[in-house]
Amino acid sequence: KAGVTQTPRYLIKTRGQQVTLSCSPISGHRSVSWYQQTPGQGLQFLFEYFSETQRNKGNFPGRFSGRQFSNSRSEMNVSTLELGDSALYLCASSARTSGGSYEQYFGPGTRLTVT
Amino acid sequence: AQTVTQSQPEMSVQEAETVTLSCTYDTSESDYYLFWYKQPPSRQMILVIRQEAYKQQNATENRFSVNFQKAAKSFSLKISDSQLGDAAMYFCAYRSGTGTASKLTFGTGTRLQVTL
Repeated sequence: KAGVTQTPRYLIKTRGQQVTLSCSPISGHRSVSWYQQTPGQGLQFLFEYFSETQRNKGNFPGRFSGRQFSNSRSEMNVSTLELGDSALYLCASSARTSGGSYEQYFGPGTRLTVT
Repeated sequence: AQTVTQSQPEMSVQEAETVTLSCTYDTSESDYYLFWYKQPPSRQMILVIRQEAYKQQNATENRFSVNFQKAAKSFSLKISDSQLGDAAMYFCAYRSGTGTASKLTFGTGTRLQVTL
């Protein structure tokens, strides 16, 4: 089974621009979550999508938005970029196992640098 | 709100030795899941092991095992026969078993060094 893929892997943007990141989950996984990782704040939950609906949202400003398509692929958008948005953005896909537990796997991340 | 605490910012172990990474969490829920993730320099988050709170038996995956103490809200990771490839950041994470949301709450991580 192919893992979670994220594109692009690296991105450099200028303050004030907007950016769109993409995530393709593991086949069969319908839940996609996004996390921001920075040295200062650690790993923080952004939002989760399930069957094209936002199911949960973290404490981030409205400049951060996302969506999910019918094939479970998800995109995350950040508008009016700020220097503090420089981070590693991780996507994770999740599904319930036959044993009743949850498996949640991460993609390789997109490294966003805002200059 | 749930919190996860990793009190050891850095740990060091010699190759072939055993090391234990600590994690405590705070929750009022009785149904939840706990995970250990490894993040090597490549930054890829790799699932190491998971524990369901309703299971009393500690999870084991090859050289990795956990000591899950539900009453103490403690979830430590033991790595046996440490290898150079085990060097990485290790994150403890909590997921609620209530409802359907997939949100993970992470600790701040422990950097593990493996020496010859």
